[in-house]
Amino acid sequence: GQNIDQPTEMTATEGAIVQINCTYQTSGFNGLFWYQQHAGEAPTFLSYNVLDGLEEKGRFSSFLSRSKGYSYLLLKELQMKDSASYLCAVGRGGSSNTGKLIFGQGTTLQVKP
Amino acid sequence: NAGVTQTPKFRILKIGQSMTLQCAQDMNHNYMYWYRQDPGMGLKLIYYSVGAGITDKGEVPNGYNVSRSTTEDFPLRLELAAPSQTSVYFCASSSRDSNNSPLHFGNGTRLTVT
Repeated sequence: GQNIDQPTEMTATEGAIVQINCTYQTSGFNGLFWYQQHAGEAPTFLSYNVLDGLEEKGRFSSFLSRSKGYSYLLLKELQMKDSASYLCAVGRGGSSNTGKLIFGQGTTLQVKP
Repeated sequence: NAGVTQTPKFRILKIGQSMTLQCAQDMNHNYMYWYRQDPGMGLKLIYYSVGAGITDKGEVPNGYNVSRSTTEDFPLRLELAAPSQTSVYFCASSSRDSNNSPLHFGNGTRLTVT
């Protein structure tokens, strides 16, 4: 089977750091993606991890542990515009590399002044 | 580049009606996908295509059909609309040049079936 779990909601303060966790169980693994989705808008790509470790991209970093089926997205120096949903998605592996992604339900982050 | 364009943005259907959600991309991507997103839920894959003339079912294909006659277009057809199909529909495309090629999403179609 396949299952991806994320917290439903989180709240943080402007200027702070927040960590959004994602755990997954999938048959086959071909990388883990994080997407940002503002209310009423389309998801946009944030990061991709396929090897264990931390990938840093400006204020955002993403970590992966394949043995633990675990990833997190770290947002530093939070800004009001970071209020959005953050979607964790796992790429399915296998010989037919179709690029299909399985999404978690998303974590809605509210940044307060 | 316009990216991924979806039409219409909004639609209200009566139960039993049919409609086609349009999706077009101008990035010459071979891979295209249709997802639906219900409130508080993740994106669920309806159908996908790895190239013109090739389509396959995703997680939730029942009640839908697709076609891919050209690289650019990937329409989603709803036959006999049901209230359970009330959702936001996102079309996406990818180049799949590498494993980390991201999905590019359209702005979505918000469909209500009453």
